[in-house]
Amino acid sequence: SQTIHQWPATLVQPVGSPLSLECTVEGTSNPNLYWYRQAAGRGLQLLFYSVGIGQISSEVPQNLSASRPQDRQFILSSKKLLLSDSGFYLCAWKFWGSEKLFFGSGTQLSVL
Amino acid sequence: AQSVTQLDSHVSVSEGTPVLLRCNYSSSYSPSLFWYVQHPNKGLQLLLKYTSAATLVKGINGFEAEFKKSETSFHLTKPSAHMSDAAEYFCVVSALFSKFYFGSGTKLNVKP
Repeated sequence: SQTIHQWPATLVQPVGSPLSLECTVEGTSNPNLYWYRQAAGRGLQLLFYSVGIGQISSEVPQNLSASRPQDRQFILSSKKLLLSDSGFYLCAWKFWGSEKLFFGSGTQLSVL
Repeated sequence: AQSVTQLDSHVSVSEGTPVLLRCNYSSSYSPSLFWYVQHPNKGLQLLLKYTSAATLVKGINGFEAEFKKSETSFHLTKPSAHMSDAAEYFCVVSALFSKFYFGSGTKLNVKP
């Protein structure tokens, strides 16, 4: 069976510090991978989308970047965090050609 | 481009009465549409999906939705609300099963 791991669960970082959130998927190969940010009253905002190693599609210009160094690993990064980067970050995956998304448990990021 | 608009941020119904959660979509392609539910402190769960087959789609827990192309709508309904239906509901649009765009969410409150 397939599982998705996302860590850490919570993170408190000062403004201007770097960020690295990691997501890995087990039990499948060549998944489509996604990073979303969930903010109250704004639903889930698609940040990044990847169909393969090194292939990243950015949805909105922002202070964040994503990388996919391995087939089942998706990393969300920032060189310098802003207050506005605070939020709940969700990683998701799906089989290629499938329509169902599977979500990780999320990371609550607080930038102070 | 694809997007969804959930017309109500909060809906309150009494137990046993019908539920209507409204969603309008915009898509450059023939869309696939979904409803996800998120219970408090729980992950996102797929309720139902429309992928160009029957326009009336039945999902889990007695929910259903009707795809109306002329109205660009995909409203979620349930004949009789149950206390356990209290949650946040998200309408989602996708084209070609690649990127998935979430609405801002509707919080459903069910009164006893």
